[in-house]
Amino acid sequence: GAGVSQTPSNKVTEKGKYVELRCDPISGHTALYWYRQSLGQGPEFLIYFQGTGAADDSGLPNDRFFAVRPEGSVSTLKIQRTERGDSAVYLCASSARTGVGNIQYFGAGTRLSVL
Amino acid sequence: AQSVSQHNHHVILSEAASLELGCNYSYGGTVNLFWYVQYPGQHLQLLLKYFSGDPLVKGIKGFEAEFIKSKFSFNLRKPSVQWSDTAEYFCAVISGTGGFKTIFGAGTRLFVKA
Repeated sequence: GAGVSQTPSNKVTEKGKYVELRCDPISGHTALYWYRQSLGQGPEFLIYFQGTGAADDSGLPNDRFFAVRPEGSVSTLKIQRTERGDSAVYLCASSARTGVGNIQYFGAGTRLSVL
Repeated sequence: AQSVSQHNHHVILSEAASLELGCNYSYGGTVNLFWYVQYPGQHLQLLLKYFSGDPLVKGIKGFEAEFIKSKFSFNLRKPSVQWSDTAEYFCAVISGTGGFKTIFGAGTRLFVKA
């Protein structure tokens, strides 16, 4: 596609529920990143995929958060037993290559509100 | 832990004023440095980047940034701002070679008065 697509754009859920957030990267981009942006803060790294595998998941806050990229393209960020503190904008980015020189292209984000 | 510090959270300027936004990072090794911009209602997008070579880098829309290794700084500048520069600006760093984890600053909201 022309850019990184994230769905849904907004998600409202109740505390304790399970949510899935989807990211469709730019076609051909091998690297995919998830970030979380809380109000008044910059994006906070969550996880990075190179192909199908999670190369670095050190930013995931706890075991309620999980992300997959089974075919090396679309990725899903899954949050179990949501808490009010999970409310934030979740950003996805993709890049054509990794390491020095990688430029990340961001999607519009999914705004998650946990009531 | 690595961190990025942006000195100003909010900046208000009149059109044609000069802009300088401060950014300092904590990592002492090799770094890749970025400035991203988010215009109202739009995606985060790359403004400029530094990987190596000339420490003065030029980006889109007349922006430039200077990497000063001794000061761990990468300040963003523009000689004359326009109303359309109203946006939020984020400094970011990737540390080491082949690193993937991008650390962002908290951002600076710039408002340019017409």
